[in-house]
Amino acid sequence: GENVEQHPSTLSVQEGDSAVIKCTYSDSASNYFPWYKQELGKGPQLIIDIRSNVGEKKDQRIAVTLNKTAKHFSLHITETQPEDSAVYFCARGKTYKYIFGTGTRLKVLA
Amino acid sequence: NAGVTQTPKFQVLKTGQSMTLQCAQDMNHEYMSWYRQDPGMGLRLIHYSVGAGITDQGEVPNGYNVSRSTTEDFPLRLLSAAPSQTSVYFCASSPGLAGRHNEQFFGPGTRLTVL
Repeated sequence: GENVEQHPSTLSVQEGDSAVIKCTYSDSASNYFPWYKQELGKGPQLIIDIRSNVGEKKDQRIAVTLNKTAKHFSLHITETQPEDSAVYFCARGKTYKYIFGTGTRLKVLA
Repeated sequence: NAGVTQTPKFQVLKTGQSMTLQCAQDMNHEYMSWYRQDPGMGLRLIHYSVGAGITDQGEVPNGYNVSRSTTEDFPLRLLSAAPSQTSVYFCASSPGLAGRHNEQFFGPGTRLTVL
């Protein structure tokens, strides 16, 4: 149905390593896939987004890939830093409605 | 620009009480929305608006009312609070849609406890 499955729920990496978070969805009409970062006590903030007519998008250390056939999209963070520690949410958008994943708590160990 | 502002930051209610969570944005955004965030469940859309005078339901609208009389303001009303409505509430806004999704800007949230 409408849910977005997000994995893993927690992820610990050593500083400098890469982190990958994956989301799957089932509604093929979804056409917008944003990723948000939420720091403790704050509202979520967009870090990168991708539309359904694009397969990959990169912004410095952050990249998102979209596989429409398999209905999954992933967030890739390279050269992780302690300030990347936060909760990350994926979401899918369709006709003004957004469905969020359940979040991944990323811990970058110094 | 102040961005998206929410008041109050914290609120404690007794079961059956009513209250309004305020949300305002000064970016002239057409789209505004309300979410609730519960542990392990991410953010769930309560109601949204695509412009003044236009509102619609999200995933979890029961127990909540909204109105959009101006572009700037989008209040969320709890008519008779229940313990199940204990949550953190976020308001968000987004630029003109023109048929395309755009970045949502979130407020700092309101932490609501219903006893």
